[in-house]
Amino acid sequence: RKEVEQDPGPFNVPEGATVAFNCTYSNSASQSFFWYRQDCRKEPKLLMSVYSSGNEDGRFTAQLNRASQYISLLIRDSKLSDSATYLCVVRGNRDDKIIFGKGTRLHILP
Amino acid sequence: DAGITQSPRHKVTETGTPVTLRCHQTENHRYMYWYRQDPGHGLRLIHYSYGVKDTDKGEVSDGYSVSRSKTEDFLLTLESATSSQTSVYFCAISEEGAKNIQYFGAGTRLSVL
Repeated sequence: RKEVEQDPGPFNVPEGATVAFNCTYSNSASQSFFWYRQDCRKEPKLLMSVYSSGNEDGRFTAQLNRASQYISLLIRDSKLSDSATYLCVVRGNRDDKIIFGKGTRLHILP
Repeated sequence: DAGITQSPRHKVTETGTPVTLRCHQTENHRYMYWYRQDPGHGLRLIHYSYGVKDTDKGEVSDGYSVSRSKTEDFLLTLESATSSQTSVYFCAISEEGAKNIQYFGAGTRLSVL
């Protein structure tokens, strides 16, 4: 099993719809989880951290399922500007390396 | 946006030539990283630094060396560039109290012909 795995997509979603995608991780001792966003030919930027209790930031909701070892990102009322690649990031114990998933491409269609 | 500048932004070079990429930060963050990003591989860590003159290897360090003589500058050197090192290179920084959160530079597109 790969350390961090994401569906590469692309997810083609009409504007205004809700979309969700998951990221699975193999190390059960992983402690920190994040979603980054990367626009085409740009650098990755932190979108949100993922907390054990789940967290929300506007239209974005992130959740962690430790039992099944995955995190999820849900985007409500999607906008054209949400089109990007979403990278899942996982870190193990305090000094463990940070592992980036390969990303899920999202296309919001007008 | 975090104050991270990568130079050059684009470079074309020939196989066998040495190449140095520069990352400069104005945030005084302790940690600095060099990644490469390739289709099908995602971001892979080349080297990182946890302080001036303190560096360590990442998962794809072969063919690369780094130096950090000042807090603000982290240099990545390809001793003898090969075509397999054609890639987009990103520098990232993180601070002591939030090591998990990395801020990235705009990237350097390197083509080795």
